[in-house]
Amino acid sequence: AQTVTQSQPEMSVQEAETVTLSCTYDTSESNYYLFWYKQPPSRQMILVIRQEAYKQQNATENRFSVNFQKAAKSFSLKISDSQLGDTAMYFCAFMTYTNAGKSTFGDGTTLTVKP
Amino acid sequence: EAQVTQNPRYLITVTGKKLTVTCSQNMNHEYMSWYRQDPGLGLRQIYYSMNVEVTDKGDVPEGYKVSRKEKRNFPLILESPSPNQTSLYFCANGTGRQEKLFFGSGTQLSVL
Repeated sequence: AQTVTQSQPEMSVQEAETVTLSCTYDTSESNYYLFWYKQPPSRQMILVIRQEAYKQQNATENRFSVNFQKAAKSFSLKISDSQLGDTAMYFCAFMTYTNAGKSTFGDGTTLTVKP
Repeated sequence: EAQVTQNPRYLITVTGKKLTVTCSQNMNHEYMSWYRQDPGLGLRQIYYSMNVEVTDKGDVPEGYKVSRKEKRNFPLILESPSPNQTSLYFCANGTGRQEKLFFGSGTQLSVL
């Protein structure tokens, strides 16, 4: 069974600064996919970024980037130039290649961006 | 507009009274899934479906049923709800190739 751990229940950052959210996972699979989802107060779930485990290059999407360390089973999210609209709960998620339907989410990190 | 539609958005019921939360999609995606979200526990997968007439258990299937008679609909059925099923429920769909999931707006269920 796969597990996903987000060790920071809450974090805060000043507007325009950079913050990193951590995520570690455990799996015996070699091919898998990792995601960060954002859930603002509206509770809508929004994909932030996706990483394929067989790609060594870290994924980036504008101000969002990941540090994917496959050997360490670590997948952290870096948010640069934080904006007030980044205030949300962030979930790390894992999907396997062999069992395409199963997904495992972390417990979430609540991020508050302060003006 | 491509969307996943859940109904109702809010539901208060009593223990033992059967209920159904509907989920429909207009995206022609094969994959659909149900999750529950509880404080401090993140999202936990209840059931998922890779295609019509194909359903599988997620991590917390006890007390729930699903059906996938047609591609666009994937209802979640609670035959005899109990207070520990009070939760925020999300339906999601996707292409089934580990690409992004598209989530509905959520259903807040309270079982008294």
